Amino acid sequence: EAGVAQSPRYKIIEKRQSVAFWCNPISGHATLYWYQQILGQGPKLLIQFQNNGVVDDSQLPKDRFSAERLKGVDSTLKIQPAKLEDSAVYLCASSLVGRKLGNAFFGQGTRLTVV
Amino acid sequence: LAKTTQPISMDSYEGQEVNITCSHNNIATNDYITWYQQFPSQGPRFIIQGYKTKVTNEVASLFIPADRKSSTLSLPRVSLSDTAVYYCLVTPNNAGNMLTFGGGTRLMVKP
Repeated sequence: EAGVAQSPRYKIIEKRQSVAFWCNPISGHATLYWYQQILGQGPKLLIQFQNNGVVDDSQLPKDRFSAERLKGVDSTLKIQPAKLEDSAVYLCASSLVGRKLGNAFFGQGTRLTVV
Repeated sequence: LAKTTQPISMDSYEGQEVNITCSHNNIATNDYITWYQQFPSQGPRFIIQGYKTKVTNEVASLFIPADRKSSTLSLPRVSLSDTAVYYCLVTPNNAGNMLTFGGGTRLMVKP
């Protein structure tokens, strides 16, 4: 079974630039999550989709972050403009709905450095 | 969602059993307890989930007392490769499937 695919693995940008991350979840997984993980901290949920609808985006800084999941499959997370404090690993995860609740599969993440 | 509290870090030696306790005093009736493991430069990985009493799989055991206000993840005979961060989550049993991570416990296994 193929895992959650994310790209790029690493990205370095200057502050005020824009950046986009891509995620392809496991086939058939209706739920997709984006997390931000700052060094030394636990993952913080930014947005959760179920199919192509948003379940929770309460912690997404909507003035600069946006995410979409067209057709309920892959997803893109964008930051525009980036700030220094956005330096973190951005993790995408996916899970089934209705079975094995709490069992999500994570990608390897995208490490973003804002300079 | 119930808040979880777990030790920030633990040290152990190879071959020892490690027990990591998590408190979740405000757990709701329909909540499950789920543990994840995260190695450096990787995403978290689901390791075990339970509702009450004891659950065991090939990786770990999970002990949950009757009041469910705490849980203990038990790793038998740890090796250096078990060095990781372990997260305790309270996961609601509903279609929302929300996953909220705390700070986790950083386990260091020494030779």
